[in-house]
Amino acid sequence: DAGVIQSPRHEVTEMGQEVTLRCKPISGHDYLFWYRQTMMRGLELLIYFNNNVPIDDSGMPEDRFSAKMPNASFSTLKIQPSEPRDSAVYFCASSFWTGPTDTQYFGPGTRLTVL
Amino acid sequence: QQQVKQSPQSLIVQKGGISIINCAYENTAFDYFPWYQQFPGKGPALLIAIRPDVSEKKEGRFTISFNKSAKQFSLHIMDSQPGDSATYFCAAVQNAGGTSYGKLTFGQGTILTVHP
Repeated sequence: DAGVIQSPRHEVTEMGQEVTLRCKPISGHDYLFWYRQTMMRGLELLIYFNNNVPIDDSGMPEDRFSAKMPNASFSTLKIQPSEPRDSAVYFCASSFWTGPTDTQYFGPGTRLTVL
Repeated sequence: QQQVKQSPQSLIVQKGGISIINCAYENTAFDYFPWYQQFPGKGPALLIAIRPDVSEKKEGRFTISFNKSAKQFSLHIMDSQPGDSATYFCAAVQNAGGTSYGKLTFGQGTILTVHP
């Protein structure tokens, strides 16, 4: 398996622009997670899905952030409008339910820079 | 609010030495403690994990020590190698014994550098 695939790997945009990050989870996995990593706040869970349904979005920082999972093999995280403080590395992870402590497999991340 | 505190922020060790990273938590509802390893340009990957009903877990050169009464746990890397140079994150999960997903709360990370 190719693992979790994220695109783009790097994104540079200007403040106010819309940004869309994409994720393809590992085939057969039924959980998908979006994380954000910054120096100041470390790794934070933004939202997670189970069987394409959003379960907990309490980590989404504000209404400018939205996430969708239209099918089992694709998810997007959108920021509109983007701001410089959104600059971070965004990770997607997926897992197959075997219990509450099942392993999450992380993608390589998208490094977002908002100028 | 930082629920899992990790130290040190960075660590330099000579090849063959022991690397020790410490974590502390306050939330007594945490009941599963994994460690993740992250190489530059990569996502974190599960390294080793422990439940609080045991005080130690060893996998190869990696050992987790757990002190439930002190609410502390640590990662020991024996015979550290340059290939171990990475960022290490401790984490904690609440409701690990339940029927719903337990969310990961991460520590701030430790950048480990092992000199040859």
